[in-house]
Amino acid sequence: RKEVEQDPGPFNVPEGATVAFNCTYSNSASQSFFWYRQDCRKEPKLLMSVYSSGNEDGRFTAQLNRASQYISLLIRDSKLSDSATYLCVVNRYNNNDMRFGAGTRLTVKP
Amino acid sequence: NAGVMQNPRHLVRRRGQEARLRCSPMKGHSHVYWYRQLPEEGLKFMVYLQKENIIDESGMPKERFSAEFPKEGPSILRIQQVVRGDSAAYFCASSIGTSGGPDTQYFGPGTRLTVL
Repeated sequence: RKEVEQDPGPFNVPEGATVAFNCTYSNSASQSFFWYRQDCRKEPKLLMSVYSSGNEDGRFTAQLNRASQYISLLIRDSKLSDSATYLCVVNRYNNNDMRFGAGTRLTVKP
Repeated sequence: NAGVMQNPRHLVRRRGQEARLRCSPMKGHSHVYWYRQLPEEGLKFMVYLQKENIIDESGMPKERFSAEFPKEGPSILRIQQVVRGDSAAYFCASSIGTSGGPDTQYFGPGTRLTVL
């Protein structure tokens, strides 16, 4: 079993749609969680950290469920520019040892 | 403040040659991480280094791969006797290095290695 698992997609949604991605992790000792965004043939960039209480940044909402060991990302009012691959990242033992999911691909269409 | 720099951006090698990939962290960052990304796959952790120290190399293949981060100069990922399966994008990330929790890692643009 992979340490971090994501649905690879692709998710094809129209502009303005709401879309949600889930990610599960296997290591119950994992301490910190992040969502990164990666555009085609570019480097990953931090989108947002995921806090236990859930957090929101504009149209993006991240949530963590420690009991079930999953993380979610919700994107509201999708824009064309949201098209990218979204990477779920888990930090094991709070020590900078990051594990990346394979990513979920999103395409927002006009 | 320049971001993480990697060079070369593209590298072509024939089977059996050596590949050297360089990474200069962001100014003020003392931690460097190397990841490999195969086509259509996620990033796989390879190695985590601080200046002159390897902190975690659990993701490095046992043979042909080595990494260093000297006191002066960039971090180097070295692949000896490359094979076709080494063809991938190699990303370097750096972080400032704080105690008590994970740092935000900032990624370089990557080096795309093609082995003919």
